[in-house]
Amino acid sequence: GAVVSQHPSRVICKSGTSVKIECRSLDFQATTMFWYRQFPKQSLMLMATSNEGSKATYEQGVEKDKFLINHASLTLSTLTVTSAHPEDSSFYICSARGGTGQYFGPGTRLTVT
Amino acid sequence: DAKTTQPNSMESNEEEPVHLPCNHSTISGTDYIHWYRQLPSQGPEYVIHGLTSNVNNRMASLAIAEDRKSSTLILHRATLRDAAVYYCILRRVSNFGNEKLTFGTGTRLTIIP
Repeated sequence: GAVVSQHPSRVICKSGTSVKIECRSLDFQATTMFWYRQFPKQSLMLMATSNEGSKATYEQGVEKDKFLINHASLTLSTLTVTSAHPEDSSFYICSARGGTGQYFGPGTRLTVT
Repeated sequence: DAKTTQPNSMESNEEEPVHLPCNHSTISGTDYIHWYRQLPSQGPEYVIHGLTSNVNNRMASLAIAEDRKSSTLILHRATLRDAAVYYCILRRVSNFGNEKLTFGTGTRLTIIP
C-alpha cells in the first residue's frame, strides 16, 4: 500500500513553455501533498504544501506565480512550471501524507532547453 | 527548521550490520524521527520512524537515545541493494497542524561486495 505515482517521469521542454506534472496517490486518499525539488548531488528542498480544496502554501523563495499547484481531489495534485527556463531544470518529487509519514513519488526529471 | 546532522558517507561490507548515526540536538518533544533512503533518480523510500522507543520493522531497526538528541538506523545484514543515500529527518507539525520534513544532506552508504 501507500503508492504514489508521478507523470511524466521525464519531460523535455523549450524555454518559455509550461509543463504540468501530475502526482497521484493510488491506494489511499491524501488531503495533503507536498512538492520538492532536487538539484544534482543536492538534497530535497520543499517547495510547497498542497491541501485539497485550498490554496497551496509556498516555502520562502519559491515563486507561487511560476510554480502553480492545484490539489483538486484527494488523490491528485498537479504542479505546473510556467514559462520554464533552463535554471528550472531539476528533479521534481511529490509526496502524499499518509498515516504518520509521507510517501514519495518516483520523481519527474524536467529538462528545459 | 528541524536540523539533523549525519556523516556524509559510510562504507560497509556486504552481509554485515550497518549503524547509521544521526544527531538532532534541537529536537522538540513532539518531533518524530523519520528515516528515508533514496536510490539514484528515484524518490525517497520510507524506512522507519519512531518517537521515543526503539522500533523494528522488516527493513531496519531504529535506536533512539534516551534524551532523543540522537538516533541510529541499524541495517542488520547489508546487501548491495541497500546502497543509497539515507536521510534522517525530524517530522515537525506546527501549531496550525502543518507538517514539514526538512531533508539534510544525508549519508551516502556504499556496500562493498
